[in-house]
Amino acid sequence: EDKVVQSPLSLVVHEGDTVTLNCSYEVTNFRSLLWYKQEKKAPTFLFMLTSSGIEKKSGRLSSILDKKELSSILNITATQTGDSAIYLCASPMNYGGSQGNLIFGKGTKLSVKP
Amino acid sequence: GAGVSQSPSNKVTEKGKDVELRCDPISGHTALYWYRQSLGQGLEFLIYFQGNSAPDKSGLPSDRFSAERTGGSVSTLTIQRTQQEDSAVYLCASSPGRGGLSYNEQFFGPGTRLTVL
Repeated sequence: EDKVVQSPLSLVVHEGDTVTLNCSYEVTNFRSLLWYKQEKKAPTFLFMLTSSGIEKKSGRLSSILDKKELSSILNITATQTGDSAIYLCASPMNYGGSQGNLIFGKGTKLSVKP
Repeated sequence: GAGVSQSPSNKVTEKGKDVELRCDPISGHTALYWYRQSLGQGLEFLIYFQGNSAPDKSGLPSDRFSAERTGGSVSTLTIQRTQQEDSAVYLCASSPGRGGLSYNEQFFGPGTRLTVL
């Protein structure tokens, strides 16, 4: 059964800390891995990773995929209280080349204290 | 431009009643997905529409759940005879649906928080 597993489930840090969130996957015919940030209700897209070893970066956030280890990490440097959210990792089901729904991990709840 | 919209934003109902949740996808997006997020859980896939193809209903938890998509645009998720365990946030997402990697990026609506008393 395809699955996505995230760790830790929750994390509390102080402003200025650097955090690393982990995601591992077992997905048949894997094609891509996505990271989302969920603050209230709607998850907002952060990154899509398809190639191993190529870092994607957006401001203080960065992410990289390791296809050998079937995993990805999301790094946040110099954390701010506004980074407090649930971070979701997901991978699309793949039906013979036609992508389907996303399989999500349970998320990592990050709390950044002032 | 307008994103995915959902209504109502909150719905409180009594056990045994039917509810309808609505999703308006981004204009031009051919793929539409429904997910459910229960407290402390990740998003759970419910149903997926792609163009005029038959929907993928493999995630629907019981036959009390159904969804339709009229005219390839607006979708309605119906839950009949609601139970307390149906309480969750129901999220709708849409994506362009074209081939290639752009297909993977799903844009989410704000969700409907359903509470079954």
